[in-house]
Amino acid sequence: DAGVTQSPTHLIKTRGQHVTLRCSPISGHKSVSWYQQVLGQGPQFIFQYYEKEERGRGNFPDRFSARQFPNYSSELNVNALLLGDSALYLCASRLSPSSYNEQFFGPGTRLTVL
Amino acid sequence: AQSVTQLDSHVSVSEGTPVLLRCNYSSSYSPSLFWYVQHPNKGLQLLLKYTSAATLVKGINGFEAEFKKSETSFHLTKPSAHMSDAAEYFCVGYRGGATNKLIFGTGTLLAVQP
Repeated sequence: DAGVTQSPTHLIKTRGQHVTLRCSPISGHKSVSWYQQVLGQGPQFIFQYYEKEERGRGNFPDRFSARQFPNYSSELNVNALLLGDSALYLCASRLSPSSYNEQFFGPGTRLTVL
Repeated sequence: AQSVTQLDSHVSVSEGTPVLLRCNYSSSYSPSLFWYVQHPNKGLQLLLKYTSAATLVKGINGFEAEFKKSETSFHLTKPSAHMSDAAEYFCVGYRGGATNKLIFGTGTLLAVQP
């Protein structure tokens, strides 16, 4: 079975631009979460979606938004990019939001903002 | 609120010697705790999880962790390090309710010397 997939793998943008990152969960998983991992730090929670509804939001500005589609795939959008948005963006999927459901992480999208 | 603190940013061991990666948690209730591993250019992989069923938790690749409520600790151990264990390890807590998210520690980089 395929794991969590993310696209693109790498992305270079300039300040002020916007970016869309995509995530496909493991088949049967209905919950998707997004995390930002700045170099040298642990991942920070951005959003969680379950059944196409937002179920949690981290401490990120409104420039960050996300959505989940009927097939449970998800997009993370970031507007007005700043240099500080350069990071590895990780997507994780699980069956449901219960803490007992293991989260499976994708390989991430490496975003560089110049 | 639940948080985790990884006490060492870097740990270096020789191949064949024991591994100890330390993690303390802060929680006002029975926590859910995890250890994840991140190899270079790869996604996060779950090593093991504690969900109050047993205080000694066995994970993959010979790793195990012991939940000690009296010490608020959840240290990760392995009897004998292998070169392939070199990676970054994250102690992770879970915050349910409205936010529903994983809370990552700052990570411990494990180096294994031949």
